Parts: sequence; C-alpha cells; structure tokens
Amino acid sequence: GQQLNQSPQSMFIQEGEDVSMNCTSSSIFNTWLWYKQDPGEGPVLLIALYKAGELTSNGRLTAQFGITRKDSFLNISASIPSDVGIYFCAGLSGYALNFGKGTSLLVTP
Amino acid sequence: GAVVSQHPSRVICKSGTSVKIECRSLDFQATTMFWYRQFPKKSLMLMATSNEGSKATYEQGVEKDKFLINHASLTLSTLTVTSAHPEDSSFYICSAVSGHEQYFGPGTRLTVT
Repeated sequence: GQQLNQSPQSMFIQEGEDVSMNCTSSSIFNTWLWYKQDPGEGPVLLIALYKAGELTSNGRLTAQFGITRKDSFLNISASIPSDVGIYFCAGLSGYALNFGKGTSLLVTP
Repeated sequence: GAVVSQHPSRVICKSGTSVKIECRSLDFQATTMFWYRQFPKKSLMLMATSNEGSKATYEQGVEKDKFLINHASLTLSTLTVTSAHPEDSSFYICSAVSGHEQYFGPGTRLTVT
C-alpha cells in the first residue's frame, strides 16, 4: 500500500494546549480515518471523513477532509494527559487502509 | 463503535512451533478482515486480506505458507504463524470492516524464543 506523509512525527505539549497534525498523499482517497493507539493496544477509531471539505468533530477532536481529497488534518483542543498516544491517519482505497507513520503525542501536566 | 476481539493477547512460543491467533467481530458480521503487523514505534503494515469463504490475499513479501489465514465464518478469522522463528516476534493486529469503517482488535504480542 501507499505510505501517507504524516506530520509532525512527534509533539511535546503542555496540558491545555491545542494540537494540530496533518496527512498528505499523492493519491486521492474517498475516505479518511483518524485513529489513536495506546501502547500495547490496537488502534481506536476517532473520526471518519467521507466527503471532500467535510469538517467533523468528536468532543475536543476536529478533523477535516481536504478539498483535493489528498489531505486531512486533526486538531485536538485543550489537551489533557490522557490524550497521550500515537495518532495515525489512514486513507481508504477500496477496503485497504493506507497509513501514515503516526504522530506521537506527549502531554505534560 | 463495532467491537473486535483478539485471542490471545500475548503468547510466548519456542522456535519451530506454530501459533494460532484468533480475530472475532463481536457485534457485527465481517466478510472482510485484515491482518497487520506492527514493529515498535512503527506504523501498521498490512500482511493480508482475509475474505470469508475464499482464499486470503497476501501483500507482496508476505509468505502465505508461513502465515496461514482462515476466515471460516462471518465473525472469525484466524492467523497461524507456522514454524515460528524469533524474527516473527511482533505485534499482530487484525481489523474488520463494518460499513465504510475499519475497527481494530486489541492486538496480539507474539514472542518467539
């Protein structure tokens, strides 16, 4: 599968700060998904995006499906310590997921 | 969201033995499941697509005779690592398709000694 470009690779922030991460691809996807993975666990789906330009929120998380269908971003507002983990973007091509390399988030109290 | 389980969560086996990992969709039926492998601090690498009632489709570089996949029902896929070697030690994760979304199991940590 194709590897997506996800940035930043890692982030160290203070509790209460906002976070933004993004993914870009050279290919078009019809669906973008954002997952969070805690150590030793499987990824948990956070947000799914189905239409170009779509902006979707899930609590403090907001994600957008880029107009070109080649990019997506995820914002986390007012971060808390339990936001710590690795966040993966994924573009869906047919049934196959193409993953970004992940953004490791560390939140300090 | 949909729930996917994996069993076992951890397994330690000796080199040369075979290990079976189960992936179950608990509250939905999945005609398609996927098996991934993940190395420390790396992203998920797709190994194969498991299709209910038919042969699995393997990604390039993945040995089908080593990683046997059986998707015998709409809620169960199994991955058997045959003649395991230390380099097979890894975190194996399955996922199942529900609608347009994929839901992941909690993963299985395999250690081959």
